[in-house]
Amino acid sequence: GAGVSQSPSNKVTEKGKDVELRCDPISGHTALYWYRQSLGQGLEFLIYFQGNSAPDKSGLPSDRFSAERTGGSVSTLTIQRTQQEDSAVYLCASRPTGTASGANVLTFGAGSRLTVL
Amino acid sequence: QQQVKQSPQSLIVQKGGISIINCAYENTAFDYFPWYQQFPGKGPALLIAIRPDVSEKKEGRFTISFNKSAKQFSLHIMDSQPGDSATYFCAARVASGGSYIPTFGRGTSLIVHP
Repeated sequence: GAGVSQSPSNKVTEKGKDVELRCDPISGHTALYWYRQSLGQGLEFLIYFQGNSAPDKSGLPSDRFSAERTGGSVSTLTIQRTQQEDSAVYLCASRPTGTASGANVLTFGAGSRLTVL
Repeated sequence: QQQVKQSPQSLIVQKGGISIINCAYENTAFDYFPWYQQFPGKGPALLIAIRPDVSEKKEGRFTISFNKSAKQFSLHIMDSQPGDSATYFCAARVASGGSYIPTFGRGTSLIVHP
């Protein structure tokens, strides 16, 4: 597709349930990021994938959060045993690398809004 | 530790006025400073960016001013329009050890009144 696609756009779940959020990056973009956007907190880095390298997981807030990227394309962010404080918009972004045009630019999806009741 | 501090948190400007958003950073290894614009229900999108070897960059009504010694940079929106109403994020990036992770400020909600 032309842009970064995220699904679902909205997810309401009950406390303690697991959720999966999906990101389809722009074709050919080797770098993929997950950020969390909470009201008044800006964009909080969660995890970064770059090609075949080990992901940078330094931003994951707890071991309830995990993410994988299959085949260097689609990524899934999983939150286990959700808590109310996990309610936020989860944004995915992708970026070309190397000398490709726009190699500095992150292209964001519209996000997945998660509400934990 | 907040590596990029952004102010103000919210800003209200009249149409035709100048909107100014400020950011300060701590890490002198940052080498790229983008600004992103986010409309409700959308993801942030790159607006304009600057590197530390340049003190100013202008694109249309948007200008970044960069002060390396003070470790500060700001976004100026000239002749602000209601369509500029959005949330603006400054960011800074350091590429080290193969990582390339922008750190974002907390955002500024800009409202331009007609």
